[in-house]
Amino acid sequence: NAGVMQNPRHLVRRRGQEARLRCSPMKGHSHVYWYRQLPEEGLKFMVYLQKENIIDESGMPKERFSAEFPKEGPSILRIQQVVRGDSAAYFCASSPKGDLYGYTFGSGTRLTVV
Amino acid sequence: AQSVTQLDSQVPVFEEAPVELRCNYSSSVSVYLFWYVQYPNQGLQLLLKYLSGSTLVESINGFEAEFNKSQTSFHLRKPSVHISDTAEYFCAVSDIGGNQFYFGTGTSLTVIP
Repeated sequence: NAGVMQNPRHLVRRRGQEARLRCSPMKGHSHVYWYRQLPEEGLKFMVYLQKENIIDESGMPKERFSAEFPKEGPSILRIQQVVRGDSAAYFCASSPKGDLYGYTFGSGTRLTVV
Repeated sequence: AQSVTQLDSQVPVFEEAPVELRCNYSSSVSVYLFWYVQYPNQGLQLLLKYLSGSTLVESINGFEAEFNKSQTSFHLRKPSVHISDTAEYFCAVSDIGGNQFYFGTGTSLTVIP
């Protein structure tokens, strides 16, 4: 079992570019969560998705950020027109049933905006 | 709303000495409590959790935490630390039946040889 796979591990973007972060959940997990860890802070929940559906996006910034989890393929967190303040570590987690049982985090994508 | 406070941002401690990492939370509802560990450039790994039952919970590598409802605390302790325990430690809470965590800002534990 390969665990939650995130790629790339590191991503550098210039201001104004788009960033795409990918997350493949653990085998058998159909629930995906994205968290953001700003420098010197703890992780903060962004969005919860199930296949083809956004269940809870209460933590997503209102502009430039979007997430999807298509029927086939990984979940994608997309940040348009990145700014310096988007520099952070973005972690994905997955679970089999949409609760805390089996909740597993990936190793994260570290986004640097220059 | 839930919030988690980790009172110490950095804790240096000598090898084989005891350590306590403090965590307090506030919540209007009953919660589950967790400690996660993050090694450099890695993801979060679950260290231990309190869901119900005995208020003292233990991990396989010698850490323990005690849920104190009256003080709304869930402090993490280890009687004798190793160099390999150097990492960032995060306390987290979740609503019972919830699907997301609320994390503290983390405590950086550095074990000094």
